[in-house]
Amino acid sequence: GENVEQHPSTLSVQEGDSAVIKCTYSDSASNYFPWYKQELGKRPQLIIDIRSNVGEKKDQRIAVTLNKTAKHFSLHITETQPEDSAVYFCAAIPTNTGNQFYFGTGTSLTVIP
Amino acid sequence: DAGITQSPRYKITETGRQVTLMCHQTWSHSYMFWYRQDLGHGLRLIYYSAAADITDKGEVPDGYVVSRSKTENFPLTLESATRSQTSVYFCASSGTGLGEKLFFGSGTQLSVL
Repeated sequence: GENVEQHPSTLSVQEGDSAVIKCTYSDSASNYFPWYKQELGKRPQLIIDIRSNVGEKKDQRIAVTLNKTAKHFSLHITETQPEDSAVYFCAAIPTNTGNQFYFGTGTSLTVIP
Repeated sequence: DAGITQSPRYKITETGRQVTLMCHQTWSHSYMFWYRQDLGHGLRLIYYSAAADITDKGEVPDGYVVSRSKTENFPLTLESATRSQTSVYFCASSGTGLGEKLFFGSGTQLSVL
């Protein structure tokens, strides 16, 4: 099955700096790649997603890039703010697994004021 | 988000006891999932269901039982709870199409003593 690796596991940045989280996947059949944010004690919530026919997608301060050839995708957060502090999960969904989401192990992001 | 609810929010039980975690969604989503979340492991799939009366194992199904007699409900049962099943459990649902967004319930924090 699909294997998703996520790095780094923890990340600390100063407020206003950028943060980058990277994920790799193994199954070339994966074609949907969402990112979830989980605040402490809360449920994971979708913040941005990208499909395999798109190389980059932006939504205000967050962006996701996808390199299908290398099988990796990344989350970029610019001008970080304290409220960006959370655990971020990437996921990959292959076309042939009944809509199963394969998650990375998460990145704990801390934005230092 | 209010369309998928889990109960109870917190549960403490003893080893060997049977425990059932409830999940209910109001969107008529075809797919429903159970994940467990443990530090260092991210979100691991226990069981999923593509429709009523159709269930399948995920990555970590041992010790768990599911059923789905109605589209809106997907209970998870621990037949004989063990300490290793202490975790946070999330139910989630999504539509049928590839790339349908995954929505999570608020989670159940289970402690097995």
